[in-house]
Amino acid sequence: GESVGLHLPTLSVQEGDNSIINCAYSNSASDYFIWYKQESGKGPQFIIDIRSNMDKRQGQRVTVLLNKTVKHLSLQIAATQPGDSAVYFCAENKGGATNKLIFGTGTLLAVQP
Amino acid sequence: GAVVSQHPSWVICKSGTSVKIECRSLDFQATTMFWYRQFPKQSLMLMATSNEGSKATYEQGVEKDKFLINHASLTLSTLTVTSAHPEDSSFYICSASRGAGDGYTFGSGTRLTVV
Repeated sequence: GESVGLHLPTLSVQEGDNSIINCAYSNSASDYFIWYKQESGKGPQFIIDIRSNMDKRQGQRVTVLLNKTVKHLSLQIAATQPGDSAVYFCAENKGGATNKLIFGTGTLLAVQP
Repeated sequence: GAVVSQHPSWVICKSGTSVKIECRSLDFQATTMFWYRQFPKQSLMLMATSNEGSKATYEQGVEKDKFLINHASLTLSTLTVTSAHPEDSSFYICSASRGAGDGYTFGSGTRLTVV
């Protein structure tokens, strides 16, 4: 099966700071990207998405940036809170008839009070 | 909003037995359902894609005879782990989509432990 990476990088931040989580995607033909938050023992929770015709999209306290030139995606979380502690995954839709969603490695965000 | 129910949330079975996991879209019709497997501290790995009424498409390296997928209706897909072994112990997650260009809704996952 497809997946990327076998280890989980960790980002540790202080409560109230801004967090930036990065992701490199693999397929230049991918046209839809999603950030998910996953808490222990639960399924992924949608945070924000972006299509390839955009380079920035903002939500509540979150911003996603897309750089298609270098195939890079980032998630910015403003004023990080303890409840933001979780694993964050980027996922790319590789397009085509199958509509498959492929997940990146994931980053563990640890918010220190 | 779109809701996907996955059942059971956890199951323990003996080695050599089979286990069925259900994934239901509660308030929408899912043209496509996806099954993922996730080992501890790792990412979600796509196992297969199933479209209603047709055979599932398995990812490379996933044994189709071991992981049987049925998508008999637009609201239900099942994954059966046949002749389970301890190495099949994992977190299995389903996802449903109305179709290309639409979003994905995930189930809450099933923790399978084979003893």
